[in-house]
Parts: sequence; structure tokens; C-alpha cells
Amino acid sequence: EAGVAQSPRYKIIEKRQSVAFWCNPISGHATLYWYQQILGQGPKLLIQFQNNGVVDDSQLPKDRFSAERLKGVDSTLKIQPAKLEDSAVYLCASSLVAGGFSEQYFGPGTRLTVT
Amino acid sequence: EDQVTQSPEALRLQEGESSSLNCSYTVSGLRGLFWYRQDPGKGPEFLFTLYSAGEEKEKERLKATLTKKESFLHITAPKPEDSATYLCAVRRSNDYKLSFGAGTTVTVRA
Repeated sequence: EAGVAQSPRYKIIEKRQSVAFWCNPISGHATLYWYQQILGQGPKLLIQFQNNGVVDDSQLPKDRFSAERLKGVDSTLKIQPAKLEDSAVYLCASSLVAGGFSEQYFGPGTRLTVT
Repeated sequence: EDQVTQSPEALRLQEGESSSLNCSYTVSGLRGLFWYRQDPGKGPEFLFTLYSAGEEKEKERLKATLTKKESFLHITAPKPEDSATYLCAVRRSNDYKLSFGAGTTVTVRA
């Protein structure tokens, strides 16, 4: 079974530039998550999709971050404009269904460096 | 607000030297406590889910236990390939969000 795919794996940008990350979840997984992991910390949920609808985006900085999930499959996360504090690894995860009985499977992440 | 605290931050072990990692949590209505392993440059890999106090789960050299306030991940006779960061996360009963701790980085020397 293919895992969660993410691209690019690494990205370096200057502050105030924009950047986009792409995620392809495991086939058939209805729920998709984007996490931000700052060095030395655990992942923090940014947004959760159930099919192509948003379930939770309470921790997404909506003034600069946006995300979409087209046709309930692939997803993109965008930052515009980027700040120095956005330097982190952005992880995408998917699960078969939402809820407490479905494990989340993570992709390898995109390491973003903002200079 | 949910709180998940992992200790120690880092653990250096000799091959074969058993030890335990701690995850203490404060959450309203626990709906599951999760352990993940994260290797450098990779995403977290699911290990265990524990749902109620007294529950235990094992996988190879790893054993996870759960009480009402904390969880332990026991590593028995570790090998160098067990070197990784181990993350603990909790989920509340009224939402699907995972709240992660900062992790414990384990280094096992041959």
C-alpha cells in the first residue's frame, strides 16, 4: 500500500514570499490533516478535512495560511506572505475515517526554511 | 486546554539497557492515547493506541501502558535501530484532534 506522498521535500524562501505544499493521501482515506512541526516540538494540527470539507481549522493562521482539498483527494497548503516563524516541517497525514478508532498515517513532510 | 508532557527530553542507552519513557497528560475526556515513532527526516510512524487505564500493548521490544494520568513506553533490551524520537499524543472525546507532546529522543549505542 502506497503511503502519504508530499512534495516538495525541502523549500527555502525569503520572508514575505509565498509557498505551496502538496499532499496526496493514502487511497480511500477520507480524512486529511496538515500539521506544523517546529524543531524540538511535537506536531500541531493546522487543519483537518473530511472528504473536501473543513472539519477543524481553529489553529490555522488564516491571515496568511490557506488550504484546499480538491475532489476529496489531493490537498495543497499555501503560505502568503511567509514569516521567519513559519520555518518548520509541514506534515500531511490521512486516516480512513475521522474519529477515535482510525490511526493517522503521516507523510515524510516538507521542511520549510524562511530566511 | 490539553497538556501533554514527555520526559525525559533525551535518553542515551547502551544496547541491551532497558528503560522507560513517560508521557503525563491532562485532558478532558480521554478518547485515546497514541504513541508514534519519528526517525530523522521522516513523518511519525504509528505504534500504539491505548484507550483505558490498565490497558497494555506490546510490539517487539516496546510495551506501552496507561494509567489515568500517564502512559509509559518501556523499551526492553534496546538495539541501535530503536534510536528515534518517540511522540505521545492524546485525543479528547469531543473532537478528533491529536495533541502531541514534544517527544523523547532515544539514542541506543552499540
